[in-house]
Amino acid sequence: AQSVTQPDIHITVSEGASLELRCNYSYGATPYLFWYVQSPGQGLQLLLKYFSGDTLVQGIKGFEAEFKRSQSSFNLRKPSVHWSDAAEYFCAVGAWNQGGKLIFGQGTELSVKP
Amino acid sequence: EAGVAQSPRYKIIEKRQSVAFWCNPISGHATLYWYQQILGQGPKLLIQFQNNGVVDDSQLPKDRFSAERLKGVDSTLKIQPAKLEDSAVYLCASSLDSVAGEQFFGPGTRLTVL
Repeated sequence: AQSVTQPDIHITVSEGASLELRCNYSYGATPYLFWYVQSPGQGLQLLLKYFSGDTLVQGIKGFEAEFKRSQSSFNLRKPSVHWSDAAEYFCAVGAWNQGGKLIFGQGTELSVKP
Repeated sequence: EAGVAQSPRYKIIEKRQSVAFWCNPISGHATLYWYQQILGQGPKLLIQFQNNGVVDDSQLPKDRFSAERLKGVDSTLKIQPAKLEDSAVYLCASSLDSVAGEQFFGPGTRLTVL
């Protein structure tokens, strides 16, 4: 069955520290992947996406993610976290033969300590 | 460019009552999605429209949920009768097309069923 796992429900980091949020997927077809961010009371905003090609992708707000097919992972990273990065982060996976349908992970809540 | 609009933003109803949500996608976006996001979980696709036709409604509880997209633009999602477990945020998203297209999300409607 298709699934997306975000192993960390909640992460706390200090402002200025580096960040890595984990995402693992199980998918039968060749996937494409997204990371979205959701602030309280808001919809989801796209941070970055991977369709093909270079496995290291850059996104908005200084985020990047690396697609590792051998590990079925698409981890999100940021070298220096800002207080405004506190939010919920979702990894989502789709497949080229699934007509745009996305499967989301359960999310990782990020808290930032001053 | 205007984003995806949803109304109402909040709704509180008693169980067994009915409720309807409205979504206006980004102009020109052919594909429209309704997601259910239960607290602490990632969004789950309920139904996907391509123009005014249904592409995927496999996870829509059809005994109580219905959705339509007349004229291929606005969409409504209805629940009748509501159950306690329907308490969630209902997110509408749209994309230019249904093949690996970036989905743009509205702010959501938070439904509380008492």
